[in-house]
Amino acid sequence: EVQLVESGGGLVQPGESLRLSCAASGFTVITNYMSWVRQAPGKGLEWVSIIYSDGSTSYADSLRGRVTISRDSSKNTLYLQMYSLRAEDTAVYYCARVREGFDFWGQGTLVTVSS
Amino acid sequence: SYELAQPPSVSVSPGQTASITCSGDELRGKYACWYQQKPGQSPVLVIYQGTKRPSGIPERFSGSISGNTATLTISGTQAMDEADYYCQAWDSTYVFGTGTKVTVL
Repeated sequence: EVQLVESGGGLVQPGESLRLSCAASGFTVITNYMSWVRQAPGKGLEWVSIIYSDGSTSYADSLRGRVTISRDSSKNTLYLQMYSLRAEDTAVYYCARVREGFDFWGQGTLVTVSS
Repeated sequence: SYELAQPPSVSVSPGQTASITCSGDELRGKYACWYQQKPGQSPVLVIYQGTKRPSGIPERFSGSISGNTATLTISGTQAMDEADYYCQAWDSTYVFGTGTKVTVL
């Protein structure tokens, strides 16, 4: 059974960093495209980043330079390192597998940026 | 940057047909997908490549695409279909539409 479980969210102060994790089971992260999508409270979905099976990456213009996507094959886990967090980064962050569309999603982890 | 426009809301009576549109430049060639998101839940893929339905998605969900507009149609709408629906496409990056709240009255 395919499963994605995010962790690492929480309350952080503006300017701080945070690393999110997404543990996968039922498939292999490094042979798939994997992505992060976020959703601010009461708002729509916003694509954040993707890592392709060849290891190349892409980022949304609004976040480029402040986030880094990576993966660990030994742990079958996807990561999102976020830097210089701002209040507007407050959102639920979802990881998702990308095949024909974003076909499996995790339950999300809430990141709150506030002083 | 690429944008996808959706109507904010659509209302439908139980058993009737709901149609949700998604407009974007040259959308036909951009692998349009649709997602259903119920309150407090993660999104679920209901249509990919504009017209294809993943396994496990009820047949009442269908997709079409013509020119710059993709349409998600829910035939025989049920109360359980009340949710937010998002279109999504790829145009050098991944883009989500603005979302449509479907209310089953």
